[in-house]
Amino acid sequence: GQQLNQSPQSMFIQEGEDVSMNCTSSSIFNTWLWYKQDPGEGPVLLIALYKAGELTSNGRLTAQFGITRKDSFLNISASIPSDVGIYFCAGQNGGAQKLVFGQGTRLTINP
Amino acid sequence: KAGVTQTPRYLIKTRGQQVTLSCSPISGHRSVSWYQQTPGQGLQFLFEYFSETQRNKGNFPGRFSGRQFSNSRSEMNVSTLELGDSALYLCASSLWRGKTEAFFGQGTRLTVV
Repeated sequence: GQQLNQSPQSMFIQEGEDVSMNCTSSSIFNTWLWYKQDPGEGPVLLIALYKAGELTSNGRLTAQFGITRKDSFLNISASIPSDVGIYFCAGQNGGAQKLVFGQGTRLTINP
Repeated sequence: KAGVTQTPRYLIKTRGQQVTLSCSPISGHRSVSWYQQTPGQGLQFLFEYFSETQRNKGNFPGRFSGRQFSNSRSEMNVSTLELGDSALYLCASSLWRGKTEAFFGQGTRLTVV
């Protein structure tokens, strides 16, 4: 099935460092979503973006909806141990709930 | 406000059997969608239900089916289970109008042996 290109696939960082990950698509999406998934749990919504160019923050997280509608990025500032997990981007069109997901970015933090 | 509830959390079935998974959406949410998550394929859309009608369907064989009840609760069924059906099955609910971001349940871990 269709997937978004998410990078990097994994990151190993020190606590306190900033993190950046991005997602690209060959198709346009009207909504971009970022989720975090812990082992054995379902994805938890972090940020939703609805307009091209939109920049939205949620605490230490900041995400942007690319101008072309074909990409998005997520930044995490001053990482802490509880940021460990897998981050997924997802694209959505209209009111349909057919989300297209990236492959995920696995974040590991060394204390 | 309770989140999306999926039951059971874990399930072990034998190849050839069938299985039914249940999902109760967030109160007030009318759209329910289902996803399959595997290490190899990632998160793949199965189908979406709204007002007891299937609105969208992913690229899965007919062995995968679902339904939605008048209270928005949903079930998905997989018949003639195959080893490759082992996966985490996730249900998500959302409002139909306005901001339509999806909120996921904890999932049902299905193991086919």
